[in-house]
Amino acid sequence: AQSVTQPDIHITVSEGASLELRCNYSYGATPYLFWYVQSPGQGLQLLLKYFSGDTLVQGIKGFEAEFKRSQSSFNLRKPSVHWSDAAEYFCAVGYASGGSYIPTFGRGTSLIVHP
Amino acid sequence: GAGVSQSPRYKVAKRGQDVALRCDPISGHVSLFWYQQALGQGPEFLTYFQNEAQLDKSGLPSDRFFAERPEGSVSTLKIQRTQQEDSAVYLCASSSWPDNQPQHFGDGTRLSIL
Repeated sequence: AQSVTQPDIHITVSEGASLELRCNYSYGATPYLFWYVQSPGQGLQLLLKYFSGDTLVQGIKGFEAEFKRSQSSFNLRKPSVHWSDAAEYFCAVGYASGGSYIPTFGRGTSLIVHP
Repeated sequence: GAGVSQSPRYKVAKRGQDVALRCDPISGHVSLFWYQQALGQGPEFLTYFQNEAQLDKSGLPSDRFFAERPEGSVSTLKIQRTQQEDSAVYLCASSSWPDNQPQHFGDGTRLSIL
């Protein structure tokens, strides 16, 4: 069965600093990978996804993620964090079902941004 | 442009009662997904519809959980004989073809079982 590990429960960064959130996946075939963000009082929002092709994926809000098959990783990065980026971030790996790819989520990483 | 709408936002029920949670997807969205999110955890998949067809219900935790989408738009998640472990936030998401993964989530229904 597919699974995702997000090793960091909390990450604290200063505003303007760079960010990297770690994600490791377990999946027997070519993985379909996602990053979502959940802000306080707001619903989950899809940041980016990887299905195939270029291993560096650009998303919304200035985020990017890099797929590394050899490391089974799909880490999320942002060069300069803004206070509004404080939120819960979820990595997910999708399995094929009925024409869709159903995300299986990790437990999340809480991002705290200091001014 | 309305997003995914879920109602009620909050639901409190006594153990053993039946509850029904509603999801109004974005108009025209073919795919609809239900997830359950316990406190401090990531969302867990419950079930997936494509139009009115329930194509995957592998995540429903027991036969007390039932979902339907009879006309391919609004969906209802029903939980019978609720238990305390059913307390969670229930999230609904929809998407349009060909981006057939959960893209637009609602704010969820927070269910508390007393």
